[in-house]
Amino acid sequence: NAGVTQTPKFQVLKTGQSMTLQCAQDMNHNSMYWYRQDPGMGLRLIYYSASEGTTDKGEVPNGYNVSRLNKREFSLRLESAAPSQTSVYFCASSEMRARSGYTFGSGTRLTVV
Amino acid sequence: AQSVTQPDIHITVSEGASLELRCNYSYGATPYLFWYVQSPGQGLQLLLKYFSGDTLVQGIKGFEAEFKRSQSSFNLRKPSVHWSDAAEYFCAVERGNKLVFGAGTILRVKS
Repeated sequence: NAGVTQTPKFQVLKTGQSMTLQCAQDMNHNSMYWYRQDPGMGLRLIYYSASEGTTDKGEVPNGYNVSRLNKREFSLRLESAAPSQTSVYFCASSEMRARSGYTFGSGTRLTVV
Repeated sequence: AQSVTQPDIHITVSEGASLELRCNYSYGATPYLFWYVQSPGQGLQLLLKYFSGDTLVQGIKGFEAEFKRSQSSFNLRKPSVHWSDAAEYFCAVERGNKLVFGAGTILRVKS
């Protein structure tokens, strides 16, 4: 069982470059989420998708865009990377609603120089 | 408004000692509460969750948590800590079909 798969695992970008973080789940979950994790701040929600075809902003959406490509895949795009976006990014999914609990991917460690 | 507070940034316990990690939430309705664990370089794994009913919930790896409405708390406990429990622990509450996480508590286990 793969669960939630994130690619890449590590990435270094230069300021101003763009990139897309990929996330796919094979559990037939309806909801998917993108969080960033920074020391001492826990996990903060960037964007989420309650179901296929819908996306909504979370707590820290500025500088990011998302695409719910289909039920399995939910990508996060940085159009013009900034050093403040250096972080560890986690994708998660839940069966129906968040109250059922999340399954997390293993994360993408992004450094913007 | 802060939804989840974990007052302790770091906790160090001796192997074999008991453990309690604190979590307080601010949310009006009966909350859906969670504890997750993150080992270094890994994603987060669900330890346990509380929805309703019995206020003492059992989880994986020998952990349990107690919901106390009067104190707005959901503290995580383990009777005897093992070296492999060293990790970061996150409390979370469900709000509007999303989980809001606390800042985390880093557990160190000394032998």
